[in-house]
Order: sequence, then C-alpha cells, then structure tokens
Amino acid sequence: DADVTQTPRNRITKTGKRIMLECSQTKGHDRMYWYRQDPGLGLRLIYYSFDVKDINKGEISDGYSVSRQAQAKFSLSLESAIPNQTALYFCATSDFGSGLTNTGELFFGEGSRLTVL
Amino acid sequence: GNSVTQMEGPVTLSEEAFLTINCTYTATGYPSLFWYVQYPGEGLQLLLKATKADDKGSNKGFEATYRKETTSFHLEKGSVQVSDSAVYFCARGLYSTLTFGKGTMLLVSP
Repeated sequence: DADVTQTPRNRITKTGKRIMLECSQTKGHDRMYWYRQDPGLGLRLIYYSFDVKDINKGEISDGYSVSRQAQAKFSLSLESAIPNQTALYFCATSDFGSGLTNTGELFFGEGSRLTVL
Repeated sequence: GNSVTQMEGPVTLSEEAFLTINCTYTATGYPSLFWYVQYPGEGLQLLLKATKADDKGSNKGFEATYRKETTSFHLEKGSVQVSDSAVYFCARGLYSTLTFGKGTMLLVSP
C-alpha cells in the first residue's frame, strides 16, 4: 500500500460544484501539503499544515480551502469549482528538516486529476 | 522574489549521452536544494538533495552540487538510459516549504 494515498485519482465535475480531494498518510509525518501541477508551470503550493491545529496558505490558495482532520488526514476542497482549477493535484508529507531553515524531503501521493467542465 | 529557474525542455538525447539540466535559485537564508523526478503517470519522487553549500547529492548515476556562489544546483549524468526519460524538477526548501521549478522533460532515445 502507498504511504501517501489520494482519493479520488480522477474526477470530472461541472462548474460550480463542490469538490473534495482527500489525502491520508501512514508515514507518521506531522507536515502535510497540497500542490497543483499545471503543464509548463511546475508545482505550486496551495496550502500546508505543520500539525493538526496549524493551517497555512501557500502561493495560490484563492478558491481553495483545507481541513486537517487528524495527523494522518488532510483534505482539499473547492467550494465552487471553475474550469481553470482543472489540474493535477498532489498531496505530500514531510519529516522535520535538519535545521530551522532547512526542509526535509517531501513524499508525494500519486496525484488526483481534476477536470472542471 | 524567491524562485527556482530551470532550463526549458524537452531535452532530447540519445542513449549514453551526457546530461546537464541547469537550475538556479534565489533565496535569502540557507535553503536546501532538491531534484525530484516524475515518471509518466506517477507522483514526484526524490532523486537527490543537498543541504549546504558545496554538498554534492548523488543517486542512480545523477549528481548535483550546491553552489552558493553561483546560486546553482545543476543536475548531471554521465550516460543516460532510455529509462531516465521523465520530467525533472529542481526545488528549493526554505522554512519547511518547497518551491519548485517548472520542470524539464527529458526524452532519451535508443
């Protein structure tokens, strides 16, 4: 079984619908992240969480919300989906880095492909 | 601002050719640097990393050296294989988040 599991893997929806992407992990990491990947743009950070009570916006949080239900679960919601949110979404987890400014390795799920018509 | 810039692809090579993918970064502080690889239909996986200046990360024949003076972390491999065909992402880690470059597709033909 994968250490970082995303559901659904593929979803097609219509403009205006509410969508939730779920992520669960068995790595025991405190830190979890949501990224989106678009062709030619790389990966961009949407939200991240360092523990259950901590939620932080990334560089492209508008139109998204998140919930950290437990240490192992971090979900991403699109309250009213729009076509330019069509993308591949990745959840990732991290262990603690080797210093205040360093970052540990990120472990990625296999991605959730969302298409908004 | 803080960013990661890597060369645009696709990079097309024949098997056993030498590979270089350039990556430069901007940042204050002391970031960690990473190369991730994404094979078709899969998520990203760590290829190598370096956490301080002059460190060399290496894995599977790939190498990259953390050059603080040129703010670079170029990826190299002496002899590529068809199985190396993938998208490669350079990333900078600072304050517990990663910023990624746009990715470079590598295509290796037999």
